[in-house]
Amino acid sequence: AQSVTQPDIHITVSEGASLELRCNYSYGATPYLFWYVQSPGQGLQLLLKYFSGDTLVQGIKGFEAEFKRSQSSFNLRKPSVHWSDAAEYFCAVGAPNTGNQFYFGTGTSLTVIP
Amino acid sequence: DTAVSQTPKYLVTQMGNDKSIKCEQNLGHDTMYWYKQDSKKFLKIMFSYNNKELIINETAPNRFSPKSPDKAHLNLHINSLELGDSAVYFCASSHTGGDGYTFGSGTRLTVV
Repeated sequence: AQSVTQPDIHITVSEGASLELRCNYSYGATPYLFWYVQSPGQGLQLLLKYFSGDTLVQGIKGFEAEFKRSQSSFNLRKPSVHWSDAAEYFCAVGAPNTGNQFYFGTGTSLTVIP
Repeated sequence: DTAVSQTPKYLVTQMGNDKSIKCEQNLGHDTMYWYKQDSKKFLKIMFSYNNKELIINETAPNRFSPKSPDKAHLNLHINSLELGDSAVYFCASSHTGGDGYTFGSGTRLTVV
């Protein structure tokens, strides 16, 4: 079965600093990988996704993520964080032919210091 | 013109009551889901429907009964509410084939 680990429960960065949020997955083949962002009191918004092909994917709001098969990782990055990026970030993994069932990590809470 | 809309946004009710949460999507997706997010933000799938047929039922108590009258709607009825049911419930939809979900804004259920 698939699973997702987000090792960092909470991260604090200064505005303008770079950001990397870690995500490790467990799956026997190449999974579908996603990053979602949840602002307080809101639903989850899809930032980016990886199905196949180029391992560096670009998403919305200036985010990117890199799929590294050898490390079973799909880390999310942003070169310069804005105060509005403060939110909860979820990594998710899915697999073909599983009824579209996705497994979510436990989330990483991002605080941005002015 | 919200893509996935849930009602109500907030629901406060007493133990033992029965309540329903409604979900509608206008994206033309053929698969809809209910997720439960607990107080620690953990998201767990409860149900998934594809073209009105139940395809995932992840050990939710029998008190939870989803109903999909058509592929644009997936409602969640909860009988005999318990304190532990307090959570945020998210509806989501997607195309079959693994594309990402589109989530609703959630329903915060508080059982007192």
